[in-house]
Amino acid sequence: QKEVEQDPGPLSVPEGAIVSLNCTYSNSAFQYFMWYRQYSRKGPELLMYTYSSGNKEDGRFTAQVDKSSKYISLFIRDSQPSDSATYLCAMRGAGNMLTFGGGTRLMVKP
Amino acid sequence: KAGVTQTPRYLIKTRGQQVTLSCSPISGHRSVSWYQQTPGQGLQFLFEYFSETQRNKGNFPGRFSGRQFSNSRSEMNVSTLELGDSALYLCASSLREVSTDTQYFGPGTRLTVL
Repeated sequence: QKEVEQDPGPLSVPEGAIVSLNCTYSNSAFQYFMWYRQYSRKGPELLMYTYSSGNKEDGRFTAQVDKSSKYISLFIRDSQPSDSATYLCAMRGAGNMLTFGGGTRLMVKP
Repeated sequence: KAGVTQTPRYLIKTRGQQVTLSCSPISGHRSVSWYQQTPGQGLQFLFEYFSETQRNKGNFPGRFSGRQFSNSRSEMNVSTLELGDSALYLCASSLREVSTDTQYFGPGTRLTVL
């Protein structure tokens, strides 16, 4: 079993929909949680970064962390076709090594 | 501020050859990490360099090696290439001075082994 599990999708939604992306993890040592967006043939781009349990909002994006359930989420409001990409959750403990989920491919249709 | 840059962007090699990839971190960042991305395995950590020293290493064979220079630029070398080494190789840089620091990725080098 992988340390970080993420539904690969693809997830197809109409423009304007609210998107929910999720990851579960098994390693209690993970303390820092990130969401990256990756367009085809590009490097991952950092979207959100959270440390504690709870919510963090940035524009149309909200990251949620529940350490007791080992579950993190990313919500995208008013989704746009330009949001179509692969979304990767990543996490780490005290060191600098990131462990990634497999990525969820999102398609937002006009 | 310029982002992480990687050269070359594309490489085609044959089995048995060796390859060197280069990464220039964001100005002021002293940590450089390397990751391999494949469709089957996703993103996997290779190693991290900080102040010219390898700090962490992932579960990859010794054919994968790296180094970091005094200006924080880093190189990654893969010797005796195998078909399975075909992947997108990503470099990420960070300050690594506070525990809450995070990593920023470059565009990657796409390596194809024939």
